[in-house]
Amino acid sequence: EAQVTQNPRYLITVTGKKLTVTCSQNMNHEYMSWYRQDPGLGLRQIYYSMNVEVTDKGDVPEGYKVSRKEKRNFPLILESPSPNQTSLYFCASTALGTGPNTEAFFGQGTRLTVV
Amino acid sequence: AQTVTQSQPEMSVQEAETVTLSCTYDTSESDYYLFWYKQPPSRQMILVIRQEAYKQQNATENRFSVNFQKAAKSFSLKISDSQLGDAAMYFCAYRSGSGNTGKLIFGQGTTLQVKP
Repeated sequence: EAQVTQNPRYLITVTGKKLTVTCSQNMNHEYMSWYRQDPGLGLRQIYYSMNVEVTDKGDVPEGYKVSRKEKRNFPLILESPSPNQTSLYFCASTALGTGPNTEAFFGQGTRLTVV
Repeated sequence: AQTVTQSQPEMSVQEAETVTLSCTYDTSESDYYLFWYKQPPSRQMILVIRQEAYKQQNATENRFSVNFQKAAKSFSLKISDSQLGDAAMYFCAYRSGSGNTGKLIFGQGTTLQVKP
């Protein structure tokens, strides 16, 4: 079954304590990205990766890091979380190219609260 | 830069009735995709329907259909025979058709309430 696995689903942490949200896909997709969802703002892209070792900033990258050492994994790292990073986070995976088989697959979401 | 706007934060519909959710977008590209995603309380992002910009025919998936007006840059979602399970947040999204990016640009979302 094609899927994107994201963990954890819920996380409460304190300001400044480093954390990692994991994301893994089993579809051999080149393109992976992270989004954050905030009320009234929809989903906004944080970082993306075109392939192994190729990552770049999205629209709201401040305070986040990512890595892509393997094609299937794309973790999101918050080295010093702050309360304004309290949000709902999604990992997504997409095949590049055109045509009907390039829809995005989303993880289950991570509800992060930074206190 | 491309933008997507959903101007209806909340909508409600009576069960079995029809409702239309609005979405407008702005782009200078001629080739792109448009999507509607459903997000129920489980938070899962579920693809409802997809439209390729080069196709003039409006996409349809069972009770869900779109009204794609390319010149007006409008992409509304019509839900017919609304069911309680349709209650969710709905997001309109845009993706470039260039084939070298998977970035989705989302609207703000519309929360749909279905009344029994």
